[in-house]
Amino acid sequence: DAKTTQPPSMDCAEGRAANLPCNHSTISGNEYVYWYRQIHSQGPQYIIHGLKNNETNEMASLIITEDRKSSTLILPHATLRDTAVYYCIVKNNDMRFGAGTRLTVKP
Amino acid sequence: GAVVSQHPSRVICKSGTSVKIECRSLDFQATTMFWYRQFPKKSLMLMATSNEGSKATYEQGVEKDKFLINHASLTLSTLTVTSAHPEDSSFYICSARGGLAQLNEQFFGPGTRLTVL
Repeated sequence: DAKTTQPPSMDCAEGRAANLPCNHSTISGNEYVYWYRQIHSQGPQYIIHGLKNNETNEMASLIITEDRKSSTLILPHATLRDTAVYYCIVKNNDMRFGAGTRLTVKP
Repeated sequence: GAVVSQHPSRVICKSGTSVKIECRSLDFQATTMFWYRQFPKKSLMLMATSNEGSKATYEQGVEKDKFLINHASLTLSTLTVTSAHPEDSSFYICSARGGLAQLNEQFFGPGTRLTVL
């Protein structure tokens, strides 16, 4: 599975959009990009995934660059409850987690 | 999404005892289950993958005799930490998938916090 690189931490103001970047320059053609988040002491929660097209659901939007070497998770209106560690995973078979980005949403 | 449960949610045991953690897929048949462990302020580390009816495949550095995994049915997998020691204290998380990796989501349980005294 391809490796991902994410910033270790980010802050966001409540009500503003949170844009979380992820680099996956070694991604191969059949690998999906998945995003999960983990709130303290809970299991990971699925957010969204995509292959090459941009995706949107009720939680977030996923923007994947044309060369697929990077992606951005967008939380359109961050709330305090969105404070969590966000993991970007490039998945071919099993789900392996990197260090993730600790997002702190501030009032 | 699909629901994966774990039992117990937290357990405290004495050093030298064995602890069994159950993972159940509640509304789908899990052909593949995964076990992860997570130390404080660290990421999840994949320990092993198991397919129903087959022996588990362990990641490098994970002792198979220490962490016994049984995936006897399509809805249940168990992880037994044998002769537990304080260094085995961790957050154990299971995950389940219903079919082929490319076509099926992987759902995570809420985790089990193990404390070995």
